[in-house]
Amino acid sequence: DTGVSQDPRHKITKRGQNVTFRCDPISEHNRLYWYRQTLGQGPEFLTYFQNEAQLEKSRLLSDRFSAERPKGSFSTLEIQRTEQGDSAMYLCASSLVPSYEQYFGPGTRLTVT
Amino acid sequence: AQTVTQSQPEMSVQEAETVTLSCTYDTSESNYYLFWYKQPPSRQMILVIRQEAYKQQNATENRFSVNFQKAAKSFSLKISDSQLGDTAMYFCAFIGNEKLTFGTGTRLTIIP
Repeated sequence: DTGVSQDPRHKITKRGQNVTFRCDPISEHNRLYWYRQTLGQGPEFLTYFQNEAQLEKSRLLSDRFSAERPKGSFSTLEIQRTEQGDSAMYLCASSLVPSYEQYFGPGTRLTVT
Repeated sequence: AQTVTQSQPEMSVQEAETVTLSCTYDTSESNYYLFWYKQPPSRQMILVIRQEAYKQQNATENRFSVNFQKAAKSFSLKISDSQLGDTAMYFCAFIGNEKLTFGTGTRLTIIP
């Protein structure tokens, strides 16, 4: 069990550029979650998958955000036309249904200049 | 909608002392889980302890224990014999409908 991994750990991009983050969950976990955390705040839910199906998306997830989980394994989160307000830590977590315990990755810190 | 409130933005305590972090929540659900997560500086979120709402017995994990008051919707974390490695942000979190709702966190500093 290698834990949840995320890549890259840090990303600096210019406003207007597209970025893509990857999350690899714990191998047997069928649920995968994305959260966003800004400085001094708790994580906020963005979206989650059960296997390859995206079951819920937060209102925080604007049309510029898209997430996929092909084949129910790793997941990608893409942000198009980045804005300075997108600067945050993007956290991925996974869990095994029916357990509610979620295990978090180290996060990807995005800085939009 | 669920809400989680942590009213102590920062706390500090001397090493080896006991500290209690407060958390209240609001929900209309009857079946849910509560968690405390620890986020050390520049490190990832770690699950500290969990509590099932249907269990009356308070959860305990080594030096960490909770005081779960369901009627009052209160879920505090007690850290006994605090250690320098306990320095971190602590988040209270609630899950009832598949996604976690976090509080704003308490920054805990253990003073040598």
